[in-house]
Amino acid sequence: EAQVTQNPRYLITVTGKKLTVTCSQNMNHEYMSWYRQDPGLGLRQIYYSMNVEVTDKGDVPEGYKVSRKEKRNFPLILESPSPNQTSLYFCASSPVLLGEQYFGPGTRLTVT
Amino acid sequence: GENVEQHPSTLSVQEGDSAVIKCTYSDSASNYFPWYKQELGKGPQLIIDIRSNVGEKKDQRIAVTLNKTAKHFSLHITETQPEDSAVYFCAASWGNEKLTFGTGTRLTIIP
Repeated sequence: EAQVTQNPRYLITVTGKKLTVTCSQNMNHEYMSWYRQDPGLGLRQIYYSMNVEVTDKGDVPEGYKVSRKEKRNFPLILESPSPNQTSLYFCASSPVLLGEQYFGPGTRLTVT
Repeated sequence: GENVEQHPSTLSVQEGDSAVIKCTYSDSASNYFPWYKQELGKGPQLIIDIRSNVGEKKDQRIAVTLNKTAKHFSLHITETQPEDSAVYFCAASWGNEKLTFGTGTRLTIIP
């Protein structure tokens, strides 16, 4: 089944404790992206990747890192999480720049 | 950068009636306008998209219209059904790697 998977689905952590949210797609898509969803703010892009070893900042990259060592994986790293990073995070992939994005099921992160 | 405004934030319609959601964008160079539907507990899913060389596109009960001069585009859902209840997001992009989303509309279909 073609899909985007994210892990974990739920995470509660404390300020400053490094964490990684994994994202994997099995559709051989070149383009991958991370979004955060907050009430009243919609979906905001954090980082995106055009291909392996090619990443760039989205609209809200502060406090986040990403890597793209393999085509299928695009982990999101929070080196020192803070409470303002409490949010619902979505990973997405697409075969072309301006085409359908396939979203993962989301990761709900709470930072206390 | 691109800015996308979406209205209304909430919308309730009687089952069988039509629903319209409107978005405006700021960058006149934008050329791709998708609409996504997000059901409770799930990630958004594309339901329809339109490119700037087209004024209208239909897919069964769903249609999108684009007015490039006024820089706005709208989602039209006819003969609404309970399963249409969800959050809907519009988005716009001008060919770079970024897709800018609106703030979402929570649509409730009243049986």
